[in-house]
Amino acid sequence: RKEVEQDPGPFNVPEGATVAFNCTYSNSASQSFFWYRQDCRKEPKLLMSVYSSGNEDGRFTAQLNRASQYISLLIRDSKLSDSATYLCVVNMANDYKLSFGAGTTVTVRA
Amino acid sequence: DAGVTQSPTHLIKTRGQHVTLRCSPISGHKSVSWYQQVLGQGPQFIFQYYEKEERGRGNFPDRFSARQFPNYSSELNVNALLLGDSALYLCASSLTISTDTQYFGPGTRLTVL
Repeated sequence: RKEVEQDPGPFNVPEGATVAFNCTYSNSASQSFFWYRQDCRKEPKLLMSVYSSGNEDGRFTAQLNRASQYISLLIRDSKLSDSATYLCVVNMANDYKLSFGAGTTVTVRA
Repeated sequence: DAGVTQSPTHLIKTRGQHVTLRCSPISGHKSVSWYQQVLGQGPQFIFQYYEKEERGRGNFPDRFSARQFPNYSSELNVNALLLGDSALYLCASSLTISTDTQYFGPGTRLTVL
């Protein structure tokens, strides 16, 4: 079983729509959670950390469900510039590596 | 401030050759991690170095090696290249050994023919 699994999509949505997707992680000892954004042929960039209480950054909302071991990302009022691959990332306490999912592709159309 | 830099940006090699990839972390960052990203997959952890010592190794063969220099820059070496080594190699820098925030460089795209 993969450490982090994501729905690959693609999610094809019109501008202004809301899109949401999840990822699941296998290791219950995971402590830190992140969403990274990766544009085509570019490096991953940190979008936001995910906290137990859930957190929001502008149009982006992240949720963590430890009991079910999943993380979600919701994008409201989608913009064309939101088109990218979103990588779910987890890390265990005292560990040195980030474990990445394969990514969820989102395409926002005009 | 300059971000993480990597060189070269692109590289084409043939099977059996070796390659050296270079990374300079953000100024003040002492930890460098290397990841391999095959097309269609997420990055996979290869190594982490902190204060010039290897602190972690992923599930990669011994053909992969790395080192960190006194100025905290790092090299990733891959010997006896295989077709399957074709990937984007990413370097990530962080202030300490903690992985709270890792900043990625633009990567080196390696093609093995």
